[in-house]
Amino acid sequence: AQTVTQSQPEMSVQEAETVTLSCTYDTSESDYYLFWYKQPPSRQMILVIRQEAYKQQNATENRFSVNFQKAAKSFSLKISDSQLGDAAMYFCAYRSAQTSGSRLTFGEGTQLTVNP
Amino acid sequence: GAGVSQSPRYKVAKRGQDVALRCDPISGHVSLFWYQQALGQGPEFLTYFQNEAQLDKSGLPSDRFFAERPEGSVSTLKIQRTQQEDSAVYLCASSLTAGMEKTQYFGPGTRLLVL
Repeated sequence: AQTVTQSQPEMSVQEAETVTLSCTYDTSESDYYLFWYKQPPSRQMILVIRQEAYKQQNATENRFSVNFQKAAKSFSLKISDSQLGDAAMYFCAYRSAQTSGSRLTFGEGTQLTVNP
Repeated sequence: GAGVSQSPRYKVAKRGQDVALRCDPISGHVSLFWYQQALGQGPEFLTYFQNEAQLDKSGLPSDRFFAERPEGSVSTLKIQRTQQEDSAVYLCASSLTAGMEKTQYFGPGTRLLVL
């Protein structure tokens, strides 16, 4: 079974600064997908960024980018130019590519605070 | 179109009561997932539908939990004889096809409190 670990329960960053959230995972599969989801206090889970394991290039979405290290099974999220609206719980998630309708396996989450 | 919607948003039940939670996926989405999120934790998988077929229910914690999607669109998660440990947020997610690369889009969740 796959597991996802987020070792930082809480992180804080100053507005306009950069912060990196860590995620490691364990799997025996070679093909899979990794995601970062954001969950504000309203609880609507929003997709931030997605990475396909077969792609060597790190995914980027505006101010959000990932550092995907397949051999190390590491998938960190970098938020540049942090904004107050980035404050939320961030979840790292894994999804197998070997079966259709695969479930997401989530980490425990990192609560990000953005200080003005 | 509109996103995934869930109702009710909040539900308070007395221990032993039955509850029904509804999920309206994005129109045309084939795949539908239910997750349970305990306070301060990440969501955990409950069950998966492809159209009306329930293809995976391995995450349902007990036989008190039952889910259906009879016409391949709206889904209902039913919990019988609720217990305090059932208190959690129940999230529904849908994706366009059964294709493995498709992103899951989440609803706002139903917060269930069992007293």
